[in-house]
Amino acid sequence: KAGVTQTPRYLIKTRGQQVTLSCSPISGHRSVSWYQQTPGQGLQFLFEYFSETQRNKGNFPGRFSGRQFSNSRSEMNVSTLELGDSALYLCASSSGLSLTGGAGELFFGEGSRLTVL
Amino acid sequence: EDKVVQSPLSLVVHEGDTVTLNCSYEVTNFRSLLWYKQEKKAPTFLFMLTSSGIEKKSGRLSSILDKKELFSILNITATQTGDSAVYLCAVVKANAGGTSYGKLTFGQGTILTVHP
Repeated sequence: KAGVTQTPRYLIKTRGQQVTLSCSPISGHRSVSWYQQTPGQGLQFLFEYFSETQRNKGNFPGRFSGRQFSNSRSEMNVSTLELGDSALYLCASSSGLSLTGGAGELFFGEGSRLTVL
Repeated sequence: EDKVVQSPLSLVVHEGDTVTLNCSYEVTNFRSLLWYKQEKKAPTFLFMLTSSGIEKKSGRLSSILDKKELFSILNITATQTGDSAVYLCAVVKANAGGTSYGKLTFGQGTILTVHP
């Protein structure tokens, strides 16, 4: 079956602009998580959505937001971009069950690489 | 604050060598530990460990968790150039409600380079 699909794969923005990234999870998966990956900080959790509800949130400023649609597709938005927002943004999907239930490892997409100039 | 620390940060070996990658953690309400392999694209799932002392194996890769000493190791035997990648360790913790929702705390990764 198809994997996690993220669009766009690459984009360049300037400071102050906003950006919207999209993620389509594996068919049947209801949970979508977003991560930011940078050389300095590694992979950091942004937020997780399940059935259109945000269930968990990381320690990022309010400029980072997301949503999930009824078909489980998710978008994340970053407003008022800063240079430090340049990163690889990874989306991961899972069934949404507890990760300790043995059925919930995350499957990652290939990411959207954002460059802020 | 939750912490996941991997060592070494980078490692260069030759084909055929055996490597051991380390992951130590300090988290409250630990539930499980996961290993991923990342080759310039999407991290791919390797193992999930929840019970102490039980080794998980997949071909030349194996991993074990020690919940008393709060660490895990990932072993790769008879390394090949295709094993060159970043290996990521991540920990899952339970929320207040007793379940965990998609939030992994990652270590900084170990960059493994295997030369022919």
